Amino acid sequence: AQSVTQLDSHVSVSEGTPVLLRCNYSSSYSPSLFWYVQHPNKGLQLLLKYTSAATLVKGINGFEAEFKKSETSFHLTKPSAHMSDAAEYFCVVRGDSSASKIIFGSGTRLSIRP
Amino acid sequence: NAGVTQTPKFQVLKTGQSMTLQCAQDMNHEYMSWYRQDPGMGLRLIHYSVGAGITDQGEVPNGYNVSRSTTEDFPLRLLSAAPSQTSVYFCASSPRQGNDGYTFGSGTRLTVV
Repeated sequence: AQSVTQLDSHVSVSEGTPVLLRCNYSSSYSPSLFWYVQHPNKGLQLLLKYTSAATLVKGINGFEAEFKKSETSFHLTKPSAHMSDAAEYFCVVRGDSSASKIIFGSGTRLSIRP
Repeated sequence: NAGVTQTPKFQVLKTGQSMTLQCAQDMNHEYMSWYRQDPGMGLRLIHYSVGAGITDQGEVPNGYNVSRSTTEDFPLRLLSAAPSQTSVYFCASSPRQGNDGYTFGSGTRLTVV
């Protein structure tokens, strides 16, 4: 079985400062991990994915995440926040490459202060 | 454009009414799923399908039915709507093999009064 925990329901940072959104996972297999972003009243967009290649994954809009097996973590970071980054972010786990289900974390709302 | 199409985008129902949320994808994906999104709870899996003719229950299936007669379509039926089913519903699809994430539709905002 797999599960995912997002450690912060809300993160607020100032524009131009680093962003850190935390995610821990549990999986019986070598998982695939994803981060999705949802802007207000919009659908979900894939930010980046980890699929057992490089442990440091780069995504769109300057975001990246590092897979740490020893810590069962997949934290999302960005060096410098932009106002347009304000959104809800979801960490997602897929048990293996043919798993039919993906499991969502409860989400982290990112606010950006001017 | 290829992707997942959901209709309608908005719907208001009275308690006890029935309706079907439509979902279609044109990417020949084997896997399709329905999620509901409620504040503070992320997305919860309602039903999913691994191919035409095969469906299974997810985390919160009560009050919903699905069928998958074709690869492209995966409708979600509310048999007797209840206020607790007020939510935003997302349909998603994925190829069976591979490491890509799911592709999501733009959602249906349902209000049951």
